[in-house]
Amino acid sequence: GQNIDQPTEMTATEGAIVQINCTYQTSGFNGLFWYQQHAGEAPTFLSYNVLDGLEEKGRFSSFLSRSKGYSYLLLKELQMKDSASYLCAPMDSNYQLIWGAGTKLIIKP
Amino acid sequence: GAVVSQHPSRVICKSGTSVKIECRSLDFQATTMFWYRQFPKQSLMLMATSNEGSKATYEQGVEKDKFLINHASLTLSTLTVTSAHPEDSSFYICSARDLGTSGGFSYEQYFGPGTRLTVT
Repeated sequence: GQNIDQPTEMTATEGAIVQINCTYQTSGFNGLFWYQQHAGEAPTFLSYNVLDGLEEKGRFSSFLSRSKGYSYLLLKELQMKDSASYLCAPMDSNYQLIWGAGTKLIIKP
Repeated sequence: GAVVSQHPSRVICKSGTSVKIECRSLDFQATTMFWYRQFPKQSLMLMATSNEGSKATYEQGVEKDKFLINHASLTLSTLTVTSAHPEDSSFYICSARDLGTSGGFSYEQYFGPGTRLTVT
């Protein structure tokens, strides 16, 4: 079957760095997306990885290891507005996104 | 960037009535649109995939006669919740994929802002 595993909740301090891990099992693989979702709102795109390695985009970076079925999202210089859920969504062989429950990130002052 | 709108943003209806939700891609042509439902603190659940000009593909367990999907044009898909019941109360979100018909190409799904449905 297809499965996503992320921590349910994480807490970090404003200004710090946090890494959100994601392991996945899918039927085929066509890349992996990270989305941010604030409470009561729709998801917004953060990153897309299809090749192994680190993709850096401002304060956010995303890493992928296809052989390990593993990805992480790294958030630097945390701000209060980063409090949200972070969704790891791999794309399967049919180009369908597989969604987990996401990781709720709580930022404390 | 690609923008997807959804209307209405919130709707309250009485049990037994039907509700239509519209999803529009504003600056690109979306050959494929997706309809999701999300209950509080749960993951996005794909309900159906809608392709322009053809019947929608429903996920297992989703009643196609209850959740009617119409994708009549490259910029508009509608979801009609028929004979709504309180258990249908949820956050409904659409997304669209630009598969190159507008000059762009991406597997990214662009999400609408969502529709919060409350059935009383």
